[in-house]
Amino acid sequence: NAGVTQTPKFRVLKTGQSMTLLCAQDMNHEYMYWYRQDPGMGLRLIHYSVGEGTTAKGEVPDGYNVSRLKKQNFLLGLESAAPSQTSVYFCASSYSRGQNIQYFGAGTRLSVL
Amino acid sequence: DQQVKQNSPSLSVQEGRISILNCDYTNSMFDYFLWYKKYPAEGPTFLISISSIKDKNEDGRFTVFLNKSAKHLSLHIVPSQPGDSAVYFCAASSGGSNYKLTFGKGTLLTVNP
Repeated sequence: NAGVTQTPKFRVLKTGQSMTLLCAQDMNHEYMYWYRQDPGMGLRLIHYSVGEGTTAKGEVPDGYNVSRLKKQNFLLGLESAAPSQTSVYFCASSYSRGQNIQYFGAGTRLSVL
Repeated sequence: DQQVKQNSPSLSVQEGRISILNCDYTNSMFDYFLWYKKYPAEGPTFLISISSIKDKNEDGRFTVFLNKSAKHLSLHIVPSQPGDSAVYFCAASSGGSNYKLTFGKGTLLTVNP
């Protein structure tokens, strides 16, 4: 019973490098989300998707891109990493109907030097 | 403009006593509220929720109270246990965009044996 799986768990980048964070869910959820958590800032929504092939901007989208080519996967890309993107990134998913209970992955800790 | 506020960054209680975590919101369109618990190095996990048509929801040791006129909700944990030590996030959504949650900054609860 995997739920929401994020890879990698840890990553260190140099400024200007690129990378992709992968999120996979096995609950057949329509909605998927990417958040970042910074000290004293709570969880802030970066991008989200309400279905396969769709994406939308959240609260802090600058510097990130996303893709949802398959219903079960949601990718978060950093084209040119900056130290300000040092954070813990969480992916979540939820059903499209009823209560919006979002289920989270374990997180990816990213450091940009 | 923070729409969901958790004004207490931390709270410390003795084992067996009651823990009360508070949350205020400013957006009158919010109609569904959730509490998440987060342990270090893990993703947030759903704890309990309440719809705006109710003023109380109970699940075992956890009870959430909603005061719509004051735009305030609280989470009561009775009795508190050391395993309850975690960061608690309050979140809210509105029916018009119920696929998005707005999170507070979190409250670190420490339950001392």
